[in-house]
Amino acid sequence: ETGVTQTPRHLVMGMTNKKSLKCEQHLGHNAMYWYKQSAKKPLELMFVYNFKEQTENNSVPSRFSPECPNSSHLFLHLHTLQPEDSALYLCASSDYGTAQANYGYTFGSGTRLTVV
Amino acid sequence: QKEVEQDPGPLSVPEGAIVSLNCTYSNSAFQYFMWYRQYSRKGPELLMYTYSSGNKEDGRFTAQVDKSSKYISLFIRDSQPSDSATYLCAMASSGGSYIPTFGRGTSLIVHP
Repeated sequence: ETGVTQTPRHLVMGMTNKKSLKCEQHLGHNAMYWYKQSAKKPLELMFVYNFKEQTENNSVPSRFSPECPNSSHLFLHLHTLQPEDSALYLCASSDYGTAQANYGYTFGSGTRLTVV
Repeated sequence: QKEVEQDPGPLSVPEGAIVSLNCTYSNSAFQYFMWYRQYSRKGPELLMYTYSSGNKEDGRFTAQVDKSSKYISLFIRDSQPSDSATYLCAMASSGGSYIPTFGRGTSLIVHP
């Protein structure tokens, strides 16, 4: 497989459920990102991992918990979500901290999350 | 004021039209300017990349950056139905670790 792969593609969960989103990149990048995309709103950066270390957390509620076990895999653990958390969750990877990173910023196809 | 402003549309044009998509921004530190295309049920993919001011052309696509006005544009010539997608502008700076800041995206519909 090549590129950035996200699973599952669709997820419906109740407000009391616990679920996880998975992202895997096959590009040799050293940074991975979680974004939230809601209708008519800009992409919201949630978390940044550089060499497996979390470098940014943009005031994301604690009901979202990221995990990066290695530079190729990224998870987003979800628990006690709210209906307003329904959105498309995108994973991306790149080389971190270089201008050339912008050339290779690669997104997965996303997980469409619906919280009921 | 949002850092990056982009009209969400939708913008509907006939096939063959010239399309103009635009963004304005407030952060003068931005040096790198990107346009992404996002098809339905897909993630964004990089379409054009420009450093600092000026024009860049790639086939039917031309990206323009006017740093003095804090205004960027993407032109699509001879638009095709396959160009129907959401176009997101994005900008980055060295001070922000080159992590891009995105606009809301403009939905483009090219009808036959």
